[in-house]
Amino acid sequence: DTEVTQTPKHLVMGMTNKKSLKCEQHMGHRAMYWYKQKAKKPPELMFVYSYEKLSINESVPSRFSPECPNSSLLNLHLHALQPEDSALYLCASSQPTGVHEQFFGPGTRLTVL
Amino acid sequence: GQQVMQIPQYQHVQEGEDFTTYCNSSTTLSNIQWYKQRPGGHPVFLIQLVKSGEVKKQKRLTFQFGEAKKNSSLHITATQTTDVGTYFCAGPKKTSYDKVIFGPGTSLSVIP
Repeated sequence: DTEVTQTPKHLVMGMTNKKSLKCEQHMGHRAMYWYKQKAKKPPELMFVYSYEKLSINESVPSRFSPECPNSSLLNLHLHALQPEDSALYLCASSQPTGVHEQFFGPGTRLTVL
Repeated sequence: GQQVMQIPQYQHVQEGEDFTTYCNSSTTLSNIQWYKQRPGGHPVFLIQLVKSGEVKKQKRLTFQFGEAKKNSSLHITATQTTDVGTYFCAGPKKTSYDKVIFGPGTSLSVIP
């Protein structure tokens, strides 16, 4: 299985809502990533988990809270978002040592009203 | 800071024409990766180049890594409508190999 799955596909939320994005992979990868992608822009790294521990936080606002419950799952908890946070949120996974190809999920299209 | 640039930003070609996108890094790279993202899709890994001067082919796609390991190119021969999408190069950040820096991408349109 070389697939990364993400739910939901689409999410519309108000600025006072709390929601979560979910990501799952069963490739045995021990590095997992959250990216934010705006239209016509490259993916922008938000967080990296290596062996279920947060290894990189790219100065992301605290209204985004990542969680890695186990080696297959990655969550992104959202609270009090702003309209400018509307974007495609991509999850990816890879082998954790050295530099390896990243497998991306289909993404969650988030709209903040 | 470390930067990865790509040119051109956009390219429109007639089906059957060739296409090339160029990637330049401000620092030497241990390796470079190429990804393709179809409209409405997600990035899909194409290839990784590691050695100085390396050339790899995948059917109609030819990838090169420069001798100085600061630049790379992707050449598509005889484009097809299935080649439509945005092509990103990406290189590891010198200070943190967990982090890959993506170039801004080249968006390819193919006119049938």
